Amino acid sequence: QKEVEQDPGPLSVPEGAIVSLNCTYSNSAFQYFMWYRQYSRKGPELLMYTYSSGNKEDGRFTAQVDKSSKYISLFIRDSQPSDSATYLCAMIRMDSSYKLIFGSGTRLLVRP
Amino acid sequence: DVKVTQSSRYLVKRTGEKVFLECVQDMDHENMFWYRQDPGLGLRLIYFSYDVKMKEKGDIPEGYSVSREKKERFSLILESASTNQTSMYLCASSPGQSNSPLHFGNGTRLTVT
Repeated sequence: QKEVEQDPGPLSVPEGAIVSLNCTYSNSAFQYFMWYRQYSRKGPELLMYTYSSGNKEDGRFTAQVDKSSKYISLFIRDSQPSDSATYLCAMIRMDSSYKLIFGSGTRLLVRP
Repeated sequence: DVKVTQSSRYLVKRTGEKVFLECVQDMDHENMFWYRQDPGLGLRLIYFSYDVKMKEKGDIPEGYSVSREKKERFSLILESASTNQTSMYLCASSPGQSNSPLHFGNGTRLTVT
């Protein structure tokens, strides 16, 4: 069983929709959580970085962490065609240094 | 903004060749990483380095080696390229704190024929 599970999609939504992307994890030692966006033929770009449970908002993006359920989410409001990309969740264990565990990524397509 | 630069975007090499992938970061980060990314397998850590001349094996180091002679530069070496090393290679860097997120370059797509 993978430490971090992420639905690969693809997820196809109309422009303007609210998008919900999710990851589950199995190890309660994970404390730091990230979301990366990766456009085709580009490297991953850091979108959100959160610590511990709760919400963090940045413009149209909201990252949510629920440690009791071992579940993290990224919400995108008013989605745009330019949001079409692969979204990777990532997390760091407190018992491990210099190593992120990545989800396999969810491909998102926002239709005009 | 952190800039991580990988020297080649696309590379085609023959089986058995020695291949060098170069990565440079401009933010004085202590930590540097090499990943490969394959469809269905996600990102897998090959090697990382937390200081000059220091290196640690990641999850899939076989067939690879690395070199870090200067803080800003981290090289990945394929000693004898094989077709199963055809992949997207991503370099990343981060500051010294163990909870820091990684900053990635744009990747090198390597094809071994």
